[in-house]
Amino acid sequence: KNEVEQSPQNLTAQEGEFITINCSYSVGISALHWLQQHPGGGIVSLFMLSSGKKKHGRLIATINIQEKHSSLHITASHPRDSAVYICAVSAVSNFGNEKLTFGTGTRLTIIP
Amino acid sequence: DAGITQSPRHKVTETGTPVTLRCHQTENHRYMYWYRQDPGHGLRLIHYSYGVKDTDKGEVSDGYSVSRSKTEDFLLTLESATSSQTSVYFCAISGASYYGYTFGSGTRLTVV
Repeated sequence: KNEVEQSPQNLTAQEGEFITINCSYSVGISALHWLQQHPGGGIVSLFMLSSGKKKHGRLIATINIQEKHSSLHITASHPRDSAVYICAVSAVSNFGNEKLTFGTGTRLTIIP
Repeated sequence: DAGITQSPRHKVTETGTPVTLRCHQTENHRYMYWYRQDPGHGLRLIHYSYGVKDTDKGEVSDGYSVSRSKTEDFLLTLESATSSQTSVYFCAISGASYYGYTFGSGTRLTVV
């Protein structure tokens, strides 16, 4: 069993729909990251959170530490949101940095 | 992405040849990482560095070596490339704990 599980693996929705992507993890963490990767593109960090909720534009990320679960929501989805969304959890290493463990990603396709 | 560049962006090489990928940062961040991304596996850590000349292995380090002689450069070397090392390689940087990550644009390596 992977330490980080995402669902769904693939999601297709119509433009304007409210999108939810889920992430569950099985290890102790110091923070959880949501990343975005467009086809053939690089990886962009969307959020890093250790508790509660963060919002940036149409994107909202929440985390429940007790349940070891996080969600990424997209409101008023748009075709440009089509990408792979990756959940990653981090733990502080002996050297003081955050070491990430990644989920396999959720491929989101928004149809105009 | 601003502050971090990878070179080359694409490379095709023959089995058994040595290959070096370069990651360059202008952010003066302490921590640098090399990941590989493969379908079904997500991102996996190859090696990382926590300072000049200070490196440590990740979960898939066999067949790879790294060097960091300057803060800004982190080199990944495949001593003798194999077809199983065909992948997309990402470099990432981070500051102190809880700072978050910045990823490079990736290097697509094909070993034939």
